[in-house]
Amino acid sequence: GAGVSQSPSNKVTEKGKDVELRCDPISGHTALYWYRQSLGQGLEFLIYFQGNSAPDKSGLPSDRFSAERTGGSVSTLTIQRTQQEDSAVYLCASSSRTSGGLSTDTQYFGPGTRLTVL
Amino acid sequence: AQSVTQLDSHVSVSEGTPVLLRCNYSSSYSPSLFWYVQHPNKGLQLLLKYTSAATLVKGINGFEAEFKKSETSFHLTKPSAHMSDAAEYFCVVSGGTSYGKLTFGQGTILTVHP
Repeated sequence: GAGVSQSPSNKVTEKGKDVELRCDPISGHTALYWYRQSLGQGLEFLIYFQGNSAPDKSGLPSDRFSAERTGGSVSTLTIQRTQQEDSAVYLCASSSRTSGGLSTDTQYFGPGTRLTVL
Repeated sequence: AQSVTQLDSHVSVSEGTPVLLRCNYSSSYSPSLFWYVQHPNKGLQLLLKYTSAATLVKGINGFEAEFKKSETSFHLTKPSAHMSDAAEYFCVVSGGTSYGKLTFGQGTILTVHP
């Protein structure tokens, strides 16, 4: 079946512009995660969705970052007033609930969106 | 709180020789531990995971890892390296009240020489 998809694959923007990154999880996966991969910081958690709710937003670096999920499926990560330090690869992952609990579930990752802020 | 330390940022081996990628973890809870691999310009792929069942975990492509609680380690091994194993490997921990949030190590780049 289809895996996690993300769009666009690459995005180049100017400092101060807003950007939207999209994630389509695997069909039926109720849990959705956003991570960021940058040279200086490695891979970092941003936000977790269960259905359309976000119980954990602790990784969002500033109030310029926001995310939503609609219909328990597609998620959008929005970065307002982009800065050069926002340049990174943004990864989305989804997982399906098993009896073992969230921490045991396998997260399946998309290919990522490479964001470059000039 | 949980954290992961990958002890080597780079490992270089010759094709056909064993691979050892070292990982130590810290967790206040019984952790779940994962190894993911990332090939150049590709997404993250799960190699194997430990979730409190058997301590020796077998994964894809001949990789395996052993959970050692006394040493807080989860080292990744493969008996014989192949050229296609060249990639970046991430040791990852999850557990407790983290909602499944993954905490990644800094990664180990594996180079395989012919």
